Amino acid sequence: NAGVMQNPRHLVRRRGQEARLRCSPMKGHSHVYWYRQLPEEGLKFMVYLQKENIIDESGMPKERFSAEFPKEGPSILRIQQVVRGDSAAYFCASSPQGRHEQFFGPGTRLTVL
Amino acid sequence: QQQVKQSPQSLIVQKGGISIINCAYENTAFDYFPWYQQFPGKGPALLIAIRPDVSEKKEGRFTISFNKSAKQFSLHIMDSQPGDSATYFCAASKNTGNQFYFGTGTSLTVIP
Repeated sequence: NAGVMQNPRHLVRRRGQEARLRCSPMKGHSHVYWYRQLPEEGLKFMVYLQKENIIDESGMPKERFSAEFPKEGPSILRIQQVVRGDSAAYFCASSPQGRHEQFFGPGTRLTVL
Repeated sequence: QQQVKQSPQSLIVQKGGISIINCAYENTAFDYFPWYQQFPGKGPALLIAIRPDVSEKKEGRFTISFNKSAKQFSLHIMDSQPGDSATYFCAASKNTGNQFYFGTGTSLTVIP
């Protein structure tokens, strides 16, 4: 059973460009979470999604950030008009219905030049 | 506001020693407390987790101690090995399907 998959693993963007981060949850998991980790810091919650629904986006910046988890395909975290402060590691986690455990992917390290 | 406070920030332990990392929380609605291990360039890996209805949980060399009245929990790594050198994060959540609140992490170095 493959774990949580994220791609790309590394992404370099120039200021003003768009970044698209993809996450495929573990097989059988219907819940997806996105977290951001800044250097030397813990993980900060961004958004929680189920298929075709955003359940909790309380950690998402109000502008430029969006997330989706379509019926088919991976979950996408989209950052428009990136700025240097968006440089971070973005982790996706998934969990099965009715369980606490969250299993993390390897992350996407975004660098904004 | 940091919902989960973790200490120490860094820890150096001799091989074979006991590593102890502490976390404290305020929100009594939290009912799930996991610990994650993260190696450089990797994602966090679930190590062990506890619910507030038990005071201790042990898996191999890893033990969580939980003090509900003090709202504190800790990770003990017995017989620490150089391969345990990593960053450890505590976390807390309330109910299923909810965000995790993470501590700020402890960088553990085990000296051979």
